[in-house]
Amino acid sequence: GAGVSQSPRYKVAKRGQDVALRCDPISGHVSLFWYQQALGQGPEFLTYFQNEAQLDKSGLPSDRFFAERPEGSVSTLKIQRTQQEDSAVYLCASSPRGGANTGELFFGEGSRLTVL
Amino acid sequence: DAKTTQPTSMDCAEGRAANLPCNHSTISGNEYVYWYRQIHSQGPQYIIHGLKNNETNEMASLIITEDRKSSTLILPHATLRDTAVYYCINAGNMLTFGGGTRLMVKP
Repeated sequence: GAGVSQSPRYKVAKRGQDVALRCDPISGHVSLFWYQQALGQGPEFLTYFQNEAQLDKSGLPSDRFFAERPEGSVSTLKIQRTQQEDSAVYLCASSPRGGANTGELFFGEGSRLTVL
Repeated sequence: DAKTTQPTSMDCAEGRAANLPCNHSTISGNEYVYWYRQIHSQGPQYIIHGLKNNETNEMASLIITEDRKSSTLILPHATLRDTAVYYCINAGNMLTFGGGTRLMVKP
């Protein structure tokens, strides 16, 4: 596709369930980012990949959150034992550049997670 | 990343220029200023960025003060579709979003 694609768009999980959110970046894009956006707030950085290497995971809120990009294209964000505070929109973004100043990012529409 | 300060909300009349200010007094010399906007239920959309010179593209103009401590995003002829949250970011390797300015364009 022409843009960043995320799936599922909507996910309802029971507390304690594991969830996996998928991101298909724009083909050939080197950098991939995950953000978490709570209702009424700006996006919060979670983690960053350059190709298959996870260069920064400082924003992951706990060890229940795990992200991977094994072949340097598609990425999956996994949340284990979901809690109600994990309810948010999870945004994926990609950029054709790596390294510093990758700031012109292309965002997907997000995956809205609701934990009951 | 250094933080930015923006007004929480602004109104603008349709067809008029919308001027959105941003304070980034702690910006580093090599950090760019980026502007994004987020329309309801969509992902953020890149608008424009600059280092120290003013910039213009088909969407907007960016005016950066000489001391680089603040900038203004200008939408020259705001339309109803420009209603969104506008984020000003100064960025190194990744973007750190703040709360942004909620711009409401009114008929």
